[in-house]
Amino acid sequence: QSVLTQPPSASGTPGQRVTISCSGSSSNIGSNTVNWYQQLPGTAPKLLIYSNNQRPSGVPDRFSGSKSGTSASLAISGLQSEDEADYYCAAWDDSLNALNWVFGGGTKLTVL
Amino acid sequence: EVQLVESGGGLVQPGRSLRLSCAASGFTFDDYAMHWVRQAPGKGLEWVSGISWNSGSIGYADSVKGRFTISRDNAKNSLYLQMNSLRAEDTALYYCAKARTLQLWSNIDYWGQGTLVTVSS
Repeated sequence: QSVLTQPPSASGTPGQRVTISCSGSSSNIGSNTVNWYQQLPGTAPKLLIYSNNQRPSGVPDRFSGSKSGTSASLAISGLQSEDEADYYCAAWDDSLNALNWVFGGGTKLTVL
Repeated sequence: EVQLVESGGGLVQPGRSLRLSCAASGFTFDDYAMHWVRQAPGKGLEWVSGISWNSGSIGYADSVKGRFTISRDNAKNSLYLQMNSLRAEDTALYYCAKARTLQLWSNIDYWGQGTLVTVSS
């Protein structure tokens, strides 16, 4: 199983606001920033949020991120059909015996 | 425009070796750390390995440590992954990815389209 914990699925109707959670530990989310990636069906992942709450240019402000302690959240407001995708959180993990990147298991978002 | 083009994937028998390559363009390659991330069929993302801008810092996932070796050639704008002693569980789409800065711990901001590695007899 993945080091970061995400719900396997989420859903919402067009126009709704949905949130996706990501839970980690003191060696990853607790001490480093969180990033979120969107993977549309059949495509490579795309950076959605970096440094907890920063959006790369071109990412709509409907997408927002937050972090508190060892957990983080991705919020999508004004849900649209094209938001249907898999979403992954990621963080650097600097535990004593390893230095590496860790991902969440992914959350499949369905727009009803 | 950042472009990352992976190559070298294919069908290989368990225990054999394969070398993946990634050709980078559209940015100053030696200013950034680089990574390999894989995705098994129908599964999530798994970080495999990363290398800092000057190869001074390198990291591996426990699942590949001792079997895979990452390297880069800044003169050729290329990233490599030497994979030895391949196992069925290494079957995945392997993505080449660019970090946002020159350090291993900076987040990935661009991804290639991936190259498929299938380990089967």
